[in-house]
Amino acid sequence: GAGVSQTPSNKVTEKGKYVELRCDPISGHTALYWYRQSLGQGPEFLIYFQGTGAADDSGLPNDRFFAVRPEGSVSTLKIQRTERGDSAVYLCASSLVGGEETQYFGPGTRLLVL
Amino acid sequence: KQEVTQIPAALSVPEGENLVLNCSFTDSAIYNLQWFRQDPGKGLTSLLLIQSSQREQTSGRLNASLDKSSGRSTLYIAASQPGDSATYLCAVRPRGSYIPTFGRGTSLIVHP
Repeated sequence: GAGVSQTPSNKVTEKGKYVELRCDPISGHTALYWYRQSLGQGPEFLIYFQGTGAADDSGLPNDRFFAVRPEGSVSTLKIQRTERGDSAVYLCASSLVGGEETQYFGPGTRLLVL
Repeated sequence: KQEVTQIPAALSVPEGENLVLNCSFTDSAIYNLQWFRQDPGKGLTSLLLIQSSQREQTSGRLNASLDKSSGRSTLYIAASQPGDSATYLCAVRPRGSYIPTFGRGTSLIVHP
C-alpha cells in the first residue's frame, strides 16, 4: 500500500512569503505528526493531530506557523512571513493510533528561504 | 526535559565489522524507545521499537537493547554491509506523552 507522501518535495521561496506544505498520511491512520529537521539534527516535534483536532501544538515555534487537518486525513502546514531560519526539512509522520504504534515517515519537504 | 544523546556522531568502518551504536537519555520514565534509519534526502524508516517493559528486540542482523535504569540503549549491527550506510536515530517517547524526543543520530559509512 501507499506510504506517507509529502508535497512538494522541494520548495524555494523568498523571505516574507507564505508557504503551504502538504502531507498525505497512510489511509486509516488517525494520528499525524509534523516535525522539522535542521542539518545535522534529529527531527524536532512541531504539532500532533489525533483525527481532525490538534492534540498538541506545543512545538510550533511561533504564531507564523499553523497546521490544519480538516477531514482527519490530509494535513497542511502553513508558514506565514517566512524567515531564513525556517529553512529546514519538514517531515510528516502518521500512525494507526496516537503514540502507541510505530510512526511511518514521509520523505519530507526541503524548504529553502532565500 | 528529556535529552537524548547519540555516540558516536559519525562512524566509518570496513564491511563485515560488528557495530555498536549508543543512545542515552536523561529521564528513565519512558514509554518506549525506537531506532530509525535515515538515508540521505529521505524520511525515517523504523527499525526496532522497544517497549519500556522489554529488554531487547531483534530483527535480522539488528539487535537493540534497553536499560531503563541507566538510561541507555544500544543498537548492534552484525556483519555490516555497504547498504547499511545511513544515519541511525533513536527516539524516546516519555511516559504520559505522545511526543518522542530524537537524538542527533549517528552517521554510519560502511565501505567495501
